Amino acid sequence: GESVGLHLPTLSVQEGDNSIINCAYSNSASDYFIWYKQESGKGPQFIIDIRSNMDKRQGQRVTVLLNKTVKHLSLQIAATQPGDSAVYFCAENMDTGTASKLTFGTGTRLQVTL
Amino acid sequence: GAGVSQSPSNKVTEKGKDVELRCDPISGHTALYWYRQSLGQGLEFLIYFQGNSAPDKSGLPSDRFSAERTGGSVSTLTIQRTQQEDSAVYLCASSWGLAGNEQFFGPGTRLTVL
Repeated sequence: GESVGLHLPTLSVQEGDNSIINCAYSNSASDYFIWYKQESGKGPQFIIDIRSNMDKRQGQRVTVLLNKTVKHLSLQIAATQPGDSAVYFCAENMDTGTASKLTFGTGTRLQVTL
Repeated sequence: GAGVSQSPSNKVTEKGKDVELRCDPISGHTALYWYRQSLGQGLEFLIYFQGNSAPDKSGLPSDRFSAERTGGSVSTLTIQRTQQEDSAVYLCASSWGLAGNEQFFGPGTRLTVL
């Protein structure tokens, strides 16, 4: 979703449930996508990446799905924990000629309730 | 150090003053990036250095913004004649520089222009 000013879209999930965070990207020519996690007062932290020649990639408790047809990216977090509470950003590499010049989405806040 | 460091962590300045923000990338990383993050927003690309190549300045919002990277390591982002709309968190990241490689972010400098 899109954010308006201070109001980031927020996903509330109960501890232990699975979380799905969605992102729509803008450039059909983008070939590299990353999910970042940002905790309050800290810089973004890499979670998982995926290239455009793949449609799914799994990490530890996280899975990224890529649907190039509709330009959609999702991050699935299994067995969500309180420590997963943060803002999650998707990013795309829109400028393949100069490497890793990323364009970030506006973010989704994940709140984990006990 | 083990990660990207930035200084100062917080900077309060008066409108019209110049400020300098510093970034120390991870040792050996050839690529360095500056981003700006306004409150509740995603990251906005500012400038990118890769080795000895000319920097990609396409994200700088005005000619009041400039950046240098000395000796292929430390970088300084300078904002001249600061305006209130410059208030944001300025994030620095570094990477090995190859396309698609993970960017490691510093904690950011929070700039407040009064």
